[in-house]
Amino acid sequence: RKEVEQDPGPFNVPEGATVAFNCTYSNSASQSFFWYRQDCRKEPKLLMSVYSSGNEDGRFTAQLNRASQYISLLIRDSKLSDSATYLCVVIKGSQGNLIFGKGTKLSVKP
Amino acid sequence: EPEVTQTPSHQVTQMGQEVILRCVPISNHLYFYWYRQILGQKVEFLVSFYNNEISEKSEIFDDQFSVERPDGSNFTLKIRSTKLEDSAMYFCASELAGVEEQYFGPGTRLTVT
Repeated sequence: RKEVEQDPGPFNVPEGATVAFNCTYSNSASQSFFWYRQDCRKEPKLLMSVYSSGNEDGRFTAQLNRASQYISLLIRDSKLSDSATYLCVVIKGSQGNLIFGKGTKLSVKP
Repeated sequence: EPEVTQTPSHQVTQMGQEVILRCVPISNHLYFYWYRQILGQKVEFLVSFYNNEISEKSEIFDDQFSVERPDGSNFTLKIRSTKLEDSAMYFCASELAGVEEQYFGPGTRLTVT
């Protein structure tokens, strides 16, 4: 089983739509969770950390379910500029190295 | 805003040659990382570096790879004898101690022919 699994997409949505991405991780010892965004041929950039209590940053909401080992990202009111690949990332243990999912591609159309 | 920089942006080399990829992390950061991303694949951890030594390395980081922080600002990744399968984007990242937010450089695209 892959350490971090995501639906690769692509998700093609119109501007203004709400879209949700899911991610599962295999190692119950994983301690920290993130969503990164990666534009084509660019570096990953941190979008938000994910906490057990859930957290929101503007149009973005992230949720963590430790029991199910499941992470989600909700994007409301999609903008054209949201088009990118969204990477689910976990840190296992205390070493700090990031374990990436393969990413979910989002394309927002006018 | 401080940023991680990497040079060169693109390196083409022949199989069997040595390459050195360079990174300048954010100045007050203490943890440094190298990752790679083969085209169309996920980002993969290679090595982490703290306090002038390797903290952790992945299975990919074999004897052909080495890292160095030669002068307190640069952080380098050396591949001694490149193989075709080393062709990838190599990202450097740095982290301020204890906050877990890693800042990535723009990457070096390595092409081995």
